[in-house]
Amino acid sequence: AQSVTQPDIHITVSEGASLELRCNYSYGATPYLFWYVQSPGQGLQLLLKYFSGDTLVQGIKGFEAEFKRSQSSFNLRKPSVHWSDAAEYFCAVGAAGDMRFGAGTRLTVKP
Amino acid sequence: SQTIHQWPATLVQPVGSPLSLECTVEGTSNPNLYWYRQAAGRGLQLLFYSVGIGQISSEVPQNLSASRPQDRQFILSSKKLLLSDSGFYLCAWSPGQKTYEQYFGPGTRLTVT
Repeated sequence: AQSVTQPDIHITVSEGASLELRCNYSYGATPYLFWYVQSPGQGLQLLLKYFSGDTLVQGIKGFEAEFKRSQSSFNLRKPSVHWSDAAEYFCAVGAAGDMRFGAGTRLTVKP
Repeated sequence: SQTIHQWPATLVQPVGSPLSLECTVEGTSNPNLYWYRQAAGRGLQLLFYSVGIGQISSEVPQNLSASRPQDRQFILSSKKLLLSDSGFYLCAWSPGQKTYEQYFGPGTRLTVT
């Protein structure tokens, strides 16, 4: 069965700094990959998705993610973080009729 | 466009009382529907999913149940709540298994006292 690992439970970055959130997955073939964001007390919002093709995908709110098959990774990046990006971020893997979410990474943004 | 609604937004219930949370989707037909629970500071736990009316699959055995009486309506229920049922309940829909992407509702915060 597929699984998702987000190694960082909590990350703090300064406003304006770059951001990279890590995501590693385990699956025998190329899965469908997603990043979601959750603000406190709210549902999850889809940031971006990867199905096939170009390994660098662009999402909403200035986020991008890169699929690296050799590393089984799908890291989320943003060149300049805004205070409003403070939230919980979830990586998810869809494959074999199932969808699995990582445990999440909480992002704190320092002024 | 598609929208997903959940109610109530918040709920405080005593131990042993019944529960009914409702989720409805607009703007699509025959969606796959999901119920997740998110405990404080934890990830998402899939509770139930449904690929059609009356078709419910349970991921985790517990005192909760789900029903899908209509194509775009998904209900989470319990006959007797436990303290451990407290959490944030999220409903989600997806256009089908081939794409896997899911779209989430705003959630229901349940506190069992």
